[in-house]
Amino acid sequence: GAVVSQHPSRVICKSGTSVKIECRSLDFQATTMFWYRQFPKQSLMLMATSNEGSKATYEQGVEKDKFLINHASLTLSTLTVTSAHPEDSSFYICSASRQGYSNQPQHFGDGTRLSIL
Amino acid sequence: GENVEQHPSTLSVQEGDSAVIKCTYSDSASNYFPWYKQELGKGPQLIIDIRSNVGEKKDQRIAVTLNKTAKHFSLHITETQPEDSAVYFCAARVYNFNKFYFGSGTKLNVKP
Repeated sequence: GAVVSQHPSRVICKSGTSVKIECRSLDFQATTMFWYRQFPKQSLMLMATSNEGSKATYEQGVEKDKFLINHASLTLSTLTVTSAHPEDSSFYICSASRQGYSNQPQHFGDGTRLSIL
Repeated sequence: GENVEQHPSTLSVQEGDSAVIKCTYSDSASNYFPWYKQELGKGPQLIIDIRSNVGEKKDQRIAVTLNKTAKHFSLHITETQPEDSAVYFCAARVYNFNKFYFGSGTKLNVKP
């Protein structure tokens, strides 16, 4: 089955640090990848849609300068949390769909637990 | 936009019993409905999905039913086992939009 790899799985760092999270589709090409944020015991909140070769589409209320997304290839998208602060601590999850929109499921990575001290 | 509601938020069953989780959606243009299982500290894993041209789909102990008229779909797990304990999310995707709308999740606890 489709595999999405997310790295790192856990980050603990000081306030003010910028943190980069990578999301890779290992056995398929993904024109589109998605970045979610999940608070404890809550559902997935879509932050942005990452499109290969073009700018990401951010959901309302998500700061694009705070959460930088780059989708440089069909298998890699990165999310950089710039100048992270304690309120940015959360579980970040990426997902990817196979190329095309013909009702392909999203496949999720295992998430990144970000803790800002 | 699409709105997906999921019930119940928690469900506790005895091992061997069946579990049913229900979702409703608002946009009649939604045509794809996946279900995900999320274990603690991990990302959601796809367990079954259904497309709008099908009313029911089964995969061993897991089945999903879809009622397009009523705009609801359900996940059925039979002969539950302790390893089925997790949080389950339903989702819906509107035709021609590459964006998924998720339910609020159901925490399933299967007691041995």
